[in-house]
Amino acid sequence: DGGITQSPKYLFRKEGQNVTLSCEQNLNHDAMYWYRQDPGQGLRLIYYSQIVNDFQKGDIAEGYSVSREKKESFPLTVTSAQKNPTAFYLCASKGGSVTGELFFGEGSRLTVL
Amino acid sequence: GENVEQHPSTLSVQEGDSAVIKCTYSDSASNYFPWYKQELGKRPQLIIDIRSNVGEKKDQRIAVTLNKTAKHFSLHITETQPEDSAVYFCAASSSGNNNDMRFGAGTRLTVKP
Repeated sequence: DGGITQSPKYLFRKEGQNVTLSCEQNLNHDAMYWYRQDPGQGLRLIYYSQIVNDFQKGDIAEGYSVSREKKESFPLTVTSAQKNPTAFYLCASKGGSVTGELFFGEGSRLTVL
Repeated sequence: GENVEQHPSTLSVQEGDSAVIKCTYSDSASNYFPWYKQELGKRPQLIIDIRSNVGEKKDQRIAVTLNKTAKHFSLHITETQPEDSAVYFCAASSSGNNNDMRFGAGTRLTVKP
């Protein structure tokens, strides 16, 4: 069953702790993305990666870090430097067309206590 | 960079009525305009998209229109059904990659039976 899997679905974190959200895809897509979704603000791009071992900052990268060691995996770390980390995080991937459909995971809801 | 505005933020219609959601964009270089539907607790999914070389595209009860001169595009849903209830996001990007894709803030559509 092809698709994108995010885990965990729900995560609670104490202030000052780093947390890593997992994103795995078996669609053989080169490009992967992390978005943050807040009520009334749509989807904002955190980081993206066009190819293995390469990634770029999006609009709101501060306080986040990523890695892309494998084509299938694009984990996102929410660091303690992120001032307002409570949000819904969506991972997505895209196939080889220049522009085209984004395939999203089911999301991870992070709550900072 | 690109800025996408979406209206209305909430929309309530009676089953069988039509629903229209409007978006404007700022970057005249944008030429790809997808619409995503996100049902409660689920991942966003592409429902229709349009490229700048056409002015209208239809897929059963869903249609999208594009006015490049005015930099706005709209989603039209006819004969609405309760299962159309969801949050709808518009987006805009230019050719080359999706890294410049920007999303609207979303419209929560409620279809009352």
